[in-house]
Amino acid sequence: ETGVTQTPRHLVMGMTNKKSLKCEQHLGHNAMYWYKQSAKKPLELMFVYNFKEQTENNSVPSRFSPECPNSSHLFLHLHTLQPEDSALYLCASSQERHYNEQFFGPGTRLTVL
Amino acid sequence: AQKITQTQPGMFVQEKEAVTLDCTYDTSDPSYGLFWYKQPSSGEMIFLIYQGSYDQQNATEGRYSLNFQKARKSANLVISASQLGDSAMYFCAMRAVNTGNQFYFGTGTSLTVIP
Repeated sequence: ETGVTQTPRHLVMGMTNKKSLKCEQHLGHNAMYWYKQSAKKPLELMFVYNFKEQTENNSVPSRFSPECPNSSHLFLHLHTLQPEDSALYLCASSQERHYNEQFFGPGTRLTVL
Repeated sequence: AQKITQTQPGMFVQEKEAVTLDCTYDTSDPSYGLFWYKQPSSGEMIFLIYQGSYDQQNATEGRYSLNFQKARKSANLVISASQLGDSAMYFCAMRAVNTGNQFYFGTGTSLTVIP
């Protein structure tokens, strides 16, 4: 498999559930990202990992918990979410140079009931 | 601070015509990269074209070209010979040397190609 993959593609969960989003990149990149994209809103950067170390946390609520066990895998653990957390969650990866683009996964469309 | 501005929330273009999507940026970093992405209704972000701050020529990739005006800090995307499949959201983004792995995205422009 190539590129950036995300599972699941769609997720419906209740506010009391615990779930995890998974992202995997097969490109040998060293940086991985989580973005949130709500309807009619711009991309919001949530977390950045560089060589497994978290380098950015853009004031994300603690009900979102990232995990990066290695440079190829990134998880987003979800618990006690709110309906306003319903959005498209995009994972991306890149190399470290300023001229390297990001490669995005297909996204997980999350609905919180 | 880095910033990307896209002032056109929505654009319409006739099929086979050319269209320009505007993007201005703000950075104090002398070395940076500018990127355009396409996001169809399926949601996936597709990389289209890259322009480096030191590149002397405007980038081109097939029907996509980037009108880079460094002094004006603008990096407009030009799509020639529009096709129905070009209907999508388009995002401009920037990455600077001194901000490491951080990408800065604009709010996007929704393009509709009319048959």
